[in-house]
Amino acid sequence: DGGITQSPKYLFRKEGQNVTLSCEQNLNHDAMYWYRQDPGQGLRLIYYSQIVNDFQKGDIAEGYSVSREKKESFPLTVTSAQKNPTAFYLCASASGAARWGEAFFGQGTRLTVV
Amino acid sequence: AQKITQTQPGMFVQEKEAVTLDCTYDTSDPSYGLFWYKQPSSGEMIFLIYQGSYDQQNATEGRYSLNFQKARKSANLVISASQLGDSAMYFCAMREVNGANSKLTFGKGITLSVRP
Repeated sequence: DGGITQSPKYLFRKEGQNVTLSCEQNLNHDAMYWYRQDPGQGLRLIYYSQIVNDFQKGDIAEGYSVSREKKESFPLTVTSAQKNPTAFYLCASASGAARWGEAFFGQGTRLTVV
Repeated sequence: AQKITQTQPGMFVQEKEAVTLDCTYDTSDPSYGLFWYKQPSSGEMIFLIYQGSYDQQNATEGRYSLNFQKARKSANLVISASQLGDSAMYFCAMREVNGANSKLTFGKGITLSVRP
């Protein structure tokens, strides 16, 4: 079945560690997005990418990094520079800008700093 | 400036009644898309409805309709015949072109509670 998969579902990180969240899609979508959601809050855009080997900073990119080496994959690394990384992270994908289809979301990764 | 504004605090509606969730947006692009998503307590994001900036008619999907007022830059979601399962957080979002990219921005969301 086509869809978007995030892993792991839960992730625990020690302070000072980098961690990488996985996001894979088999929908042949060009655009991919990473969001952060804090309790009771909206989705804030971290990074987004339209094509392989190109990505753009969103509204809260500091302390995060991404790569887009394959169309299907858009991993997010939460670095030690991110001061408050505990949050719910959502990845999404959507078809190209020429067609304004819906964005499909993964199930999310809940990251906790211990 | 915020791109998507959802200012209503928690909303309450009686089962079987209609409710309107407000959303205003800000863009200078002539071509954009507007979306509504539902997020239940499980955390998944459920697509509800889409409205393109050039669409002449308001979008409808079952019990959901989008009241699109382009000149006022508003895209309110109307849920008819509310059900208990409609209790969730609702997000308005906009997709707009940014150079060769398309940016998808969300509002802060509105919590809807349906009373039996």
